[in-house]
Amino acid sequence: GQQVMQIPQYQHVQEGEDFTTYCNSSTTLSNIQWYKQRPGGHPVFLIQLVKSGEVKKQKRLTFQFGEAKKNSSLHITATQTTDVGTYFCAGINHKDDKIIFGKGTRLHILP
Amino acid sequence: DVKVTQSSRYLVKRTGEKVFLECVQDMDHENMFWYRQDPGLGLRLIYFSYDVKMKEKGDIPEGYSVSREKKERFSLILESASTNQTSMYLCASIGGSYEKLFFGSGTQLSVL
Repeated sequence: GQQVMQIPQYQHVQEGEDFTTYCNSSTTLSNIQWYKQRPGGHPVFLIQLVKSGEVKKQKRLTFQFGEAKKNSSLHITATQTTDVGTYFCAGINHKDDKIIFGKGTRLHILP
Repeated sequence: DVKVTQSSRYLVKRTGEKVFLECVQDMDHENMFWYRQDPGLGLRLIYFSYDVKMKEKGDIPEGYSVSREKKERFSLILESASTNQTSMYLCASIGGSYEKLFFGSGTQLSVL
């Protein structure tokens, strides 16, 4: 079945360094969404990308959707302690209406 | 404020018990999902429903069933709980345009 691979599984960075997580789907996606889960919390929606090659920014966060609509990335510039958590990508295929999550990247910030 | 409410935050059950996990959303969403979350395995789709009385298997449906008798309520049923079903269970809903998922706070189920 459809799979969404996400790397890395864990990332430790010094506060102020940049961070990137990558997602790759086994099939072409209709959309891709990104979620953040704080420790002890539930996933919260960040953004949705729909168009091939789309790039969206939210303050220090930059999201990209690949030209083939099979991969995506989230880049955080100059990380802060508030960025701690697990970041998930979620691939949506409107052929079967499933929303398949990557395994997530847990970000840990070293002060 | 929009809400997805799961009936219990923590639940402890014994092996072989029948377990019901309830989820209610107040956003009139057509689509509802049940995921389980385990360390290192991320969020795995158990079942989803795109309409009342409709259900579709996700990636790991074995040992689970679901019920959607009303639009706002989606129940996950463990017919005979087993220790390998100890996990965090997350319910989510999304509107027909698939704009964003809203998650409940989760139910941490322990099967002893």
